[in-house]
Parts: sequence; structure tokens; C-alpha cells
Amino acid sequence: AQKVTQAQTEISVVEKEDVTLDCVYETRDTTYYLFWYKQPPSGELVFLIRRNSFDEQNEISGRYSWNFQKSTSSFNFTITASQVVDSAVYFCALSTPGGSYIPTFGRGTSLIVHP
Amino acid sequence: EAEVAQSPRYKITEKSQAVAFWCDPISGHATLYWYRQILGQGPELLVQFQDESVVDDSQLPKDRFSAERLKGVDSTLKIQPAELGDSAMYLCASSLSAQATNTEAFFGQGTRLTVV
Repeated sequence: AQKVTQAQTEISVVEKEDVTLDCVYETRDTTYYLFWYKQPPSGELVFLIRRNSFDEQNEISGRYSWNFQKSTSSFNFTITASQVVDSAVYFCALSTPGGSYIPTFGRGTSLIVHP
Repeated sequence: EAEVAQSPRYKITEKSQAVAFWCDPISGHATLYWYRQILGQGPELLVQFQDESVVDDSQLPKDRFSAERLKGVDSTLKIQPAELGDSAMYLCASSLSAQATNTEAFFGQGTRLTVV
């Protein structure tokens, strides 16, 4: 069985603050893929990043960075210098061979960035 | 830029009526997913297609839901009869192939269904 937990239901910050969204996953598979998606109010899920289980190198893309730690089964997402346009619901997802590579999503974290 | 197309964007229907949603995946994508997202929750898989074949429909309420992808391209999800609890966002996604590595799913804008 595979599971994704996003314990933070809602986070509220003021513009320019840094914010970290937590994601903890569970799987028995040794090979797996982790994803982050952004869902703005318009509704579509926008793909942000994919990480393979065999690549623990952290990644930075502009103001976004991801910290993958297999030892704690976590794949956390940090937004540096947050902006109002970052306000959205963010979803972490997991796909595994045992789960037919079907992405399983967490419940999401709603990020509200105030001006 | 290639995208997953869904229609309609919004649908209001009375309970016990039939309703259908359409999805056109990104060209060349063999895998197609239908997800349901209840307000405040994450998307949950209803059905996965690989080309025209159903790979996983274990979470599809088959007494009232049906899905097809006859030519392995676009897909239709139907609910008959609709119930109040079916009110949700229905999201379609596609990926190159679920069996290949490094295949992220790309999502459409969804159909928001309200059953009254």
C-alpha cells in the first residue's frame, strides 16, 4: 500500500516570508516517484516537479526548492520569498510499481500569502 | 503548448439524471486517468486506461459510473443516475505511459459537477 501525508491543512504567511510545505510518504517499493502539483483557484493541477527514489539530490528552481530525504520518507517543498501569486493548494503525490504507477495524492496544503 | 482538454467546465444536474464528461488527452499519451476530487481533499483515482484498455477501475462505483476510451484517444466518463454525493471536481490526466519511468501526469482544468 502507498500513502502520502500532508499534515499541514492550511498555512498563512505574509509576502516575502519563506514557507515550507511538508510531505511524508509510505511505500514498500524500493523504486518510486514523488511529485508536487499546484492547484490555483481555477482548478487545474499544475505539475511542478518529479523526483526519483534513487536520486536524493535536492533541487532548486528559482524561488522553489525541494528537500528529499529517504531516511525520513519526506519530500518537502520550500518557497523562498513568497508572493501573493503563490497562493494555491499544493499537493504531494507518489507513484510506485506496486501501485501500477498510479499517482496517489495527499490531502493538500492550502497556502495563503497575504500582501 | 499541449494540454489536456476537458468539457464541460461546469455542470449542474438534478439527482437521478444522467451526466457525461469528456476528456481529450495530450497527443501521444497512452495513459489516461479519471480522478474525482471532493472539496478540501486530494484527487482520488476512479479509472486508469492504457490505450483503450482499462488498467484499474477498482475504485469506480460501477453501479452508476462508466468510462470508455474506445479508440484509445479521447475518453468519456458517465454517471447514471447522479446522486447528491457525486458533487465534486472530475479531473482527467494523461501521461506518456504508466509503465515507463519518469512519466508525470498532466491534468486538465476539470469539470465541476453540482448535483441538486
